[in-house]
Amino acid sequence: GAVVSQHPSRVICKSGTSVKIECRSLDFQATTMFWYRQFPKKSLMLMATSNEGSKATYEQGVEKDKFLINHASLTLSTLTVTSAHPEDSSFYICSARQGDGYTFGSGTRLTVV
Amino acid sequence: AQSVTQPDIHITVSEGASLELRCNYSYGATPYLFWYVQSPGQGLQLLLKYFSGDTLVQGIKGFEAEFKRSQSSFNLRKPSVHWSDAAEYFCAVGAATNAGKSTFGDGTTLTVKP
Repeated sequence: GAVVSQHPSRVICKSGTSVKIECRSLDFQATTMFWYRQFPKKSLMLMATSNEGSKATYEQGVEKDKFLINHASLTLSTLTVTSAHPEDSSFYICSARQGDGYTFGSGTRLTVV
Repeated sequence: AQSVTQPDIHITVSEGASLELRCNYSYGATPYLFWYVQSPGQGLQLLLKYFSGDTLVQGIKGFEAEFKRSQSSFNLRKPSVHWSDAAEYFCAVGAATNAGKSTFGDGTTLTVKP
């Protein structure tokens, strides 16, 4: 079945630095990927829709300059958290669409200290 | 605007007992409905989905869900729960034309007693 790999699974960074999270579709091409953020004991919040070869579409309230999304190929989307702050600490999950189905990555636990 | 309500924050059942997790949705058009399971620190795994057709949907791991349009519900059921089913369960609704852009409920934590 469709597999989405997300890397890294855990990352700790210092305040003010940037962190890049990768989302790869391993055995299919994904023209559309989605980035979610999940707070502890909370649901997933869609941050943005990543479209291969074009700009990402951000949800209302999500800072596009802070959460940079790049979807340069049909198998890779990246989320870069720029100038990270402790409040950016969260669990970030990507999903990739394949026809009517889609698969979620295993998530990245970001901790900003 | 679309929304999903999972009324039960936490449910505890005994191993071998039946399970029903509730999900109510609000959506202005034909919804795509999903149930996902998430183990601690992990991503989401799709259990089942409903797009159209038979309103009783079979999924993986012995789960099923029934779509009831009149009640705007999509409850998840399992006849006999296993200890490994302990996890967080999310119901989601998505647009028919952009199903990946889904709205999730707040989740239900399932605890299984031995």
